[in-house]
Amino acid sequence: GENVEQHPSTLSVQEGDSAVIKCTYSDSASNYFPWYKQELGKRPQLIIDIRSNVGEKKDQRIAVTLNKTAKHFSLHITETQPEDSAVYFCAEGDTNFGNEKLTFGTGTRLTIIP
Amino acid sequence: DVKVTQSSRYLVKRTGEKVFLECVQDMDHENMFWYRQDPGLGLRLIYFSYDVKMKEKGDIPEGYSVSREKKERFSLILESASTNQTSMYLCASSLQVGSAGYTFGSGTRLTVV
Repeated sequence: GENVEQHPSTLSVQEGDSAVIKCTYSDSASNYFPWYKQELGKRPQLIIDIRSNVGEKKDQRIAVTLNKTAKHFSLHITETQPEDSAVYFCAEGDTNFGNEKLTFGTGTRLTIIP
Repeated sequence: DVKVTQSSRYLVKRTGEKVFLECVQDMDHENMFWYRQDPGLGLRLIYFSYDVKMKEKGDIPEGYSVSREKKERFSLILESASTNQTSMYLCASSLQVGSAGYTFGSGTRLTVV
């Protein structure tokens, strides 16, 4: 079955520095890679996603990179701010043939130190 | 905005009780999912459904069942609750996950005593 490994499990960075979270996956059919942010006591929310035909995608301070050959993808947050503190989950899915389910990583608790 | 509503935010049930967790979405999404969230384990898929009356097992279906009698409602059933089912349960829906991902509900924190 599908498997997603996510590292690190916890990450603390000084405000203004960059944070990087990495995920690896096993299913070569995977073609969709979203990232979710879950603030304390709230629901996970999609913050950025990437498809297998793209190597990198940016949205303001957030970027995601994908290496299909190595089967890994990463979330990069630059100029971190206190509101970036949250748990981040990577996920992977295969959107072909109507298979819409996502497999999630175990999460990274990011703490921004003021 | 898509709204996914879970009927209870907190539940406390006794071992052996039959427990129903309800999830309703208001945007005509085909796909609905139940996950449980545990510290260090992330989100694990219990069951999902692509259409009314249709269900498929996820990664950890043991001890659970589901019902989807109407498109907007997806119910998770714990036939005989056990203490190891104490967890946060998250419902999600999607139109096409590859276009907009999931929309999650707020979660139900279930404690089985």
